[in-house]
Amino acid sequence: DAKTTQPNSMESNEEEPVHLPCNHSTISGTDYIHWYRQLPSQGPEYVIHGLTSNVNNRMASLAIAEDRKSSTLILHRATLRDAAVYYCILRVLIAGGTSYGKLTFGQGTILTVHP
Amino acid sequence: DTEVTQTPKHLVMGMTNKKSLKCEQHMGHRAMYWYKQKAKKPPELMFVYSYEKLSINESVPSRFSPECPNSSLLNLHLHALQPEDSALYLCASSQPDRGSTDTQYFGPGTRLTVL
Repeated sequence: DAKTTQPNSMESNEEEPVHLPCNHSTISGTDYIHWYRQLPSQGPEYVIHGLTSNVNNRMASLAIAEDRKSSTLILHRATLRDAAVYYCILRVLIAGGTSYGKLTFGQGTILTVHP
Repeated sequence: DTEVTQTPKHLVMGMTNKKSLKCEQHMGHRAMYWYKQKAKKPPELMFVYSYEKLSINESVPSRFSPECPNSSLLNLHLHALQPEDSALYLCASSQPDRGSTDTQYFGPGTRLTVL
């Protein structure tokens, strides 16, 4: 399975930007980069995804390197509610005529946000 | 409604018991997933159902038996479990899409303890 590598933990102050890096050097051309986060005592929650171009949504931005071997999730102004484990995932399309992807979670980055 | 519900929230069972976990979604999604998550580890995929048919079994022991009685429901039947099977069991659903957007929606999980 395609793998991702993330720092174990990162810290930020409230209202400051956070840049969460991810390496995925074995990515293939059809793999999408997905980010999910998991708040304490909850299931994972979708954050953002992309293929080649940078992406923005109401939660975050995703910056993808030109060679696609790395990406960075950007939280523009961290809040205390953003404290969570952030997972960088390569979504692999399942072969055999299916139309859904398989998420293989990496170890994730524990983000701590200080008031 | 983007909610995936799971019951029960907590379950304690002995190694000789038979129990079932239930997952329900009303988003019209046709792919449903079971994941297992050990403490401080990322979720690991167990099973995938697509259009009510089992399409992926990630070499899960037969003491775990999934069932998808209809497009809204997913069950996980448990029998003769071992203490090492204690974990958080997460259900997710998505709308199959050969593109990138089959975002998975996760339930809050069932915390299982096997004595």
